[in-house]
Amino acid sequence: EVQLVQSGAEVKKPGESLRISCKTSGYRFTDYWIAWVRQMPGKGLEWMGIIYPGDSDTRYNPSFQGQVTISVDKSINTAYLQWSSLKASDTAIYYCARRKLEAYRYFDLWGRGTLVTVSS
Amino acid sequence: SQDLTQPPSVSVSPGQTATITCSGDALPKQYAYWYQQKPGQAPVLVIYNDSKRPSGIPERFSGSSSGTTVTLTISGVQAEDEADYYCQSADTSESYVFGAGTRVTVL
Repeated sequence: EVQLVQSGAEVKKPGESLRISCKTSGYRFTDYWIAWVRQMPGKGLEWMGIIYPGDSDTRYNPSFQGQVTISVDKSINTAYLQWSSLKASDTAIYYCARRKLEAYRYFDLWGRGTLVTVSS
Repeated sequence: SQDLTQPPSVSVSPGQTATITCSGDALPKQYAYWYQQKPGQAPVLVIYNDSKRPSGIPERFSGSSSGTTVTLTISGVQAEDEADYYCQSADTSESYVFGAGTRVTVL
């Protein structure tokens, strides 16, 4: 079965670091880009960035550049989103989604989301 | 940068037609895509390339494009269609944008 399985909910304090994951299965990892999308409480979808697992080519939304790091581990077909110093405003649901290489720029499969809560 | 503008809400009675617009200056040059998001769930693609429907999406969902505006139409709305709908587009430099979303309420 083709799926994107995201890591579980996290509760962190401001200033702490965090890495969340998106483990893919059921397809060739290098046939798709993986994107991360933020959804703050009660708000809409925001594209954060996207990575191509084949060569780790990464593009960021300027609003998130320098605030987060997107990476992959090809050996375990997993993408990551990480923060070095969380803020309360990072509280949100984070989705990973895939976009087929050499195809139109839409996301055909999404993970179920990881809820990150940052509170002192 | 590209912005996409959607109405915040649309209300429709069961069996009627819901029309959701998405406007953006780049849309004549870029395809638009539509996602449905129900409460507590991840988004689901319902329209791609302005007007194509993925397999498994009911025929009552359709899309169209005219100039700087794309439109998602839900014909014969059902209670299960109550959700938030987002348009999305992207440019060739892998820069993506979502509209702010439209909440469809089935009266």
